[in-house]
Amino acid sequence: AQRVTQPEKLLSVFKGAPVELKCNYSYSGSPELFWYVQYSRQRLQLLLRHISRESIKGFTADLNKGETSFHLKKPFAQEEDSAMYYCAFRGGFQKLVFGTGTRLLVSP
Amino acid sequence: DVKVTQSSRYLVKRTGEKVFLECVQDMDHENMFWYRQDPGLGLRLIYFSYDVKMKEKGDIPEGYSVSREKKERFSLILESASTNQTSMYLCASSRNTGELFFGEGSRLTVL
Repeated sequence: AQRVTQPEKLLSVFKGAPVELKCNYSYSGSPELFWYVQYSRQRLQLLLRHISRESIKGFTADLNKGETSFHLKKPFAQEEDSAMYYCAFRGGFQKLVFGTGTRLLVSP
Repeated sequence: DVKVTQSSRYLVKRTGEKVFLECVQDMDHENMFWYRQDPGLGLRLIYFSYDVKMKEKGDIPEGYSVSREKKERFSLILESASTNQTSMYLCASSRNTGELFFGEGSRLTVL
């Protein structure tokens, strides 16, 4: 079955610390991977997708097919990064399968 | 600006009532989706539609139905609401290339 696993429900770091939000997927083909973010009182929105290979708001994510992972990283966390982060995966057709989410709290 | 609008932000219904959640997008997107969002469970797909009058079951369709009579509108129907359907419901739309655009959500409480 197609599945996305985000092992951490909550990740708490101090401002300026590095951040890594973990995401693993199970799929035998070539997936599309995404990170979506939901800031407080805002709608869910796309943060980045693996095919773009770009850095958004200082975040990067590399697709590792060998480890079936797509971890989200940022070298220096900011307070405004505090949000709910969802890893999502598309293995076929148009539907996205989402993980259970990780809440990132960045303290001053 | 891309826009997905969910008509009701907050609803309170009683067990057994019929509930309609409406979603409209103004981007001429082919695909529309209904997810429910629950703490600890993430987003779970209820139904999606890739064309007018077409629908596909998602991962948790039981207790729900949908209607897509026009391209821009996708409705979620709870025929007989139950307390375990208390949740945040998110509508989204996309083109076939993929990014999902979400509405602000409809928080439903079933008493």
